Amino acid sequence: NAGVTQTPKFRVLKTGQSMTLLCAQDMNHEYMYWYRQDPGMGLRLIHYSVGEGTTAKGEVPDGYNVSRLKKQNFLLGLESAAPSQTSVYFCASSFVTIEQFFGPGTRLTVL
Amino acid sequence: GQQLNQSPQSMFIQEGEDVSMNCTSSSIFNTWLWYKQEPGEGPVLLIALYKAGELTSNGRLTAQFGITRKDSFLNISASIPSDVGIYFCAGPPIGGGANNLFFGTGTRLTVIP
Repeated sequence: NAGVTQTPKFRVLKTGQSMTLLCAQDMNHEYMYWYRQDPGMGLRLIHYSVGEGTTAKGEVPDGYNVSRLKKQNFLLGLESAAPSQTSVYFCASSFVTIEQFFGPGTRLTVL
Repeated sequence: GQQLNQSPQSMFIQEGEDVSMNCTSSSIFNTWLWYKQEPGEGPVLLIALYKAGELTSNGRLTAQFGITRKDSFLNISASIPSDVGIYFCAGPPIGGGANNLFFGTGTRLTVIP
């Protein structure tokens, strides 16, 4: 059981570039989430999904899009990266309960 | 967004000492979760609390769901070097979406051998 995995682990982008972060889970969880973590702050929810084919906005959704085409995968997209999106991004998943399991994170720098 | 205030922000303790930290909110929570995050890793769930007054242990860790439902406490007994990390409280406030977690800003724990 790999749990929750994220690719890539690190990425550097220039302002205006686009990229997609991939999250995969092998626990057959219904719910998946994307968070960002900035220095000195807790995690903030970007978008989440309550099942295959569904997505919803979290606390800080602007500048991001997501897709959940398969139950085990949740993609986070940045269409036009900005320096304010420099952060560490965490994916998480859960059954239909609140106990979320997190991946190892992706460290993104936007120059 | 919701504000979850954790205190203290950081702690430096000697190995073997007990640790107490807390988390407070202006909103009522139905569930409190405590996570630990080590450098370069994602948060790991330590304890989940589901009703006011509940006291739950996980090894040397004990957490309590405050009676007012606006706070929670985490204690670590007989600290060891591997307890080093950042401890976060989290929870879904009432009316905020059943699975939408809000996180505190964390308590950074350093254990001196």
